[in-house]
Amino acid sequence: KAGVTQTPRYLIKTRGQQVTLSCSPISGHRSVSWYQQTPGQGLQFLFEYFSETQRNKGNFPGRFSGRQFSNSRSEMNVSTLELGDSALYLCASSLAGQANQETQYFGPGTRLLVL
Amino acid sequence: AQSVTQLDSHVSVSEGTPVLLRCNYSSSYSPSLFWYVQHPNKGLQLLLKYTSAATLVKGINGFEAEFKKSETSFHLTKPSAHMSDAAEYFCVVSANSGYALNFGKGTSLLVTP
Repeated sequence: KAGVTQTPRYLIKTRGQQVTLSCSPISGHRSVSWYQQTPGQGLQFLFEYFSETQRNKGNFPGRFSGRQFSNSRSEMNVSTLELGDSALYLCASSLAGQANQETQYFGPGTRLLVL
Repeated sequence: AQSVTQLDSHVSVSEGTPVLLRCNYSSSYSPSLFWYVQHPNKGLQLLLKYTSAATLVKGINGFEAEFKKSETSFHLTKPSAHMSDAAEYFCVVSANSGYALNFGKGTSLLVTP
């Protein structure tokens, strides 16, 4: 079974631009979560989607948004990029998103550099 | 709120010696706890998880962790380190919502020959 895939793997943008990252979950998984990893703040939860609905959102500004499609694939968008948005963005999938019980499977991440 | 504190940001061991990575948790109720490993340029991989069953949890690659409620700890151990164990290790607790994970700051494990 194929793992979680994320595209693109690397991205360079300039301040003020917007960016869209994509995540394809493991086949059969309906929950997709997004995390931001930076050296200073570590790994922080962005949001979680299940059946095209956002169920939970972390403490990030409204510039960070996401969506999920009917095939469970998910995208996240960051508008008006800031230097501090440079990070590794990780996507995780699971069957039902019950993080306290299920194993979350992580993709390799998209490394975003904002200049 | 659920949170974890990893007590060491860096740990260095010699190959063949025991590994101990320390983690304390804070939780208002019985938590679900995990250890994840991240090798350079690779995604996060689950090592083991505790979900209120046996307090001693065995994971992959010879790692295990013991849940100690009285000490609010969930330390990760391995009897004998291998060079391939060099990586970043994260202690993780599930958030109140149940839909998210709260990660510790990570412990970088260095294994020397």
